[in-house]
Amino acid sequence: DAEITQSPRHKITETGRQVTLACHQTWNHNNMFWYRQDLGHGLRLIHYSYGVHDTNKGEVSDGYSVSRSNTEDLPLTLESAASSQTSVYFCASSSGLAPNEQFFGPGTRLTVL
Amino acid sequence: GNSVTQMEGPVTLSEEAFLTINCTYTATGYPSLFWYVQYPGEGLQLLLKATKADDKGSNKGFEATYRKETTSFHLEKGSVQVSDSAVYFCAGGEAQKLVFGQGTRLTINP
Repeated sequence: DAEITQSPRHKITETGRQVTLACHQTWNHNNMFWYRQDLGHGLRLIHYSYGVHDTNKGEVSDGYSVSRSNTEDLPLTLESAASSQTSVYFCASSSGLAPNEQFFGPGTRLTVL
Repeated sequence: GNSVTQMEGPVTLSEEAFLTINCTYTATGYPSLFWYVQYPGEGLQLLLKATKADDKGSNKGFEATYRKETTSFHLEKGSVQVSDSAVYFCAGGEAQKLVFGQGTRLTINP
């Protein structure tokens, strides 16, 4: 069965360190998205990609970067982790066909100390 | 830009009670609308969807109707169960991006 996976599921890091969160999907979807979930804010879009070598900034992209070298993967990098980036991160993908239903991974809980 | 506003929680009900979670959207066009559910420790799962005005989405006893005149997509269930305890998100999108509401935590007591 097709799926979308994230790793690690839990990560503790220190302020200033570079961190990369992995996202891998076997749906063969063109579109991939990264969100963060915080209490009182719901899900906020960080970055998204509509295909290989395509990346776009979402509403809360500062301090984050992504790259899309193949269809299956969209890793999210925190260049220099900050305590404000402590959150639960979700990756999602969609096929690009209407009505744009997104499929979500299980999430990564990141703590920045 | 597009936005989604949903009923703030938490919401606590007794088993077999009637549930309504309100959701309204603001959009320049005609978005597709979704309800997602998140169980503890898991990612979001699609619960139901509607792609145009007057469409009714339904799944697992939940229903929501796309009301263009009131720009609403309220989630309803006639008789909730303890297993419905979760966080519910309303979302809307006109292209491939979705905008999510802040989520409503629902707790059902036996």
